[in-house]
Amino acid sequence: GAVVSQHPSWVICKSGTSVKIECRSLDFQATTMFWYRQFPKQSLMLMATSNEGSKATYEQGVEKDKFLINHASLTLSTLTVTSAHPEDSSFYICSARDRERDYYEQYFGPGTRLTVT
Amino acid sequence: GQNIDQPTEMTATEGAIVQINCTYQTSGFNGLFWYQQHAGEAPTFLSYNVLDGLEEKGRFSSFLSRSKGYSYLLLKELQMKDSASYLCAVLDSNYQLIWGAGTKLIIKP
Repeated sequence: GAVVSQHPSWVICKSGTSVKIECRSLDFQATTMFWYRQFPKQSLMLMATSNEGSKATYEQGVEKDKFLINHASLTLSTLTVTSAHPEDSSFYICSARDRERDYYEQYFGPGTRLTVT
Repeated sequence: GQNIDQPTEMTATEGAIVQINCTYQTSGFNGLFWYQQHAGEAPTFLSYNVLDGLEEKGRFSSFLSRSKGYSYLLLKELQMKDSASYLCAVLDSNYQLIWGAGTKLIIKP
């Protein structure tokens, strides 16, 4: 149980275009989903926290107009990287909390590797 | 500020035992997690400690001392597949996960 999927697993796009990444909880309802970014040889950096039906809370330094997050249902959150630039190339990972559990474990998706050329 | 410290890199031999330490200073404490992350993959859950003491799960054990702000992950009977980064993360008073930078564990034959 507690499986989280991400799509796509990798994507290459041209500078200036937008890319949408989907995060789905497959066998549980996720009240909260998290989006992380990880650069090579660095730890996870939390970008934003999203709760179903409400606006995402962004971490300091993360541009909310550039990284659009939509958490429209209890099983789906999307991250759209708008006007992508080469410096946005990174490994993007989502995670989700199971609303039925009470110790706040986060279940991680497999990640999406974004390369902007 | 909030801070989690763990060694950057450790090397151990196949079949041996290794202990990865983690110290933390956070605003509040609601538990400590250990995750394993292989290169290019997402983290996978290893353990969760919220009370002092040792939690054993197969070859992996995790220890917590809240008074000392200290935890360790103990890996026994090391296998080559244990080569990975090990991330320590603390759930703070806002139930946000605060992540350490990770410890890269290299296993040699």
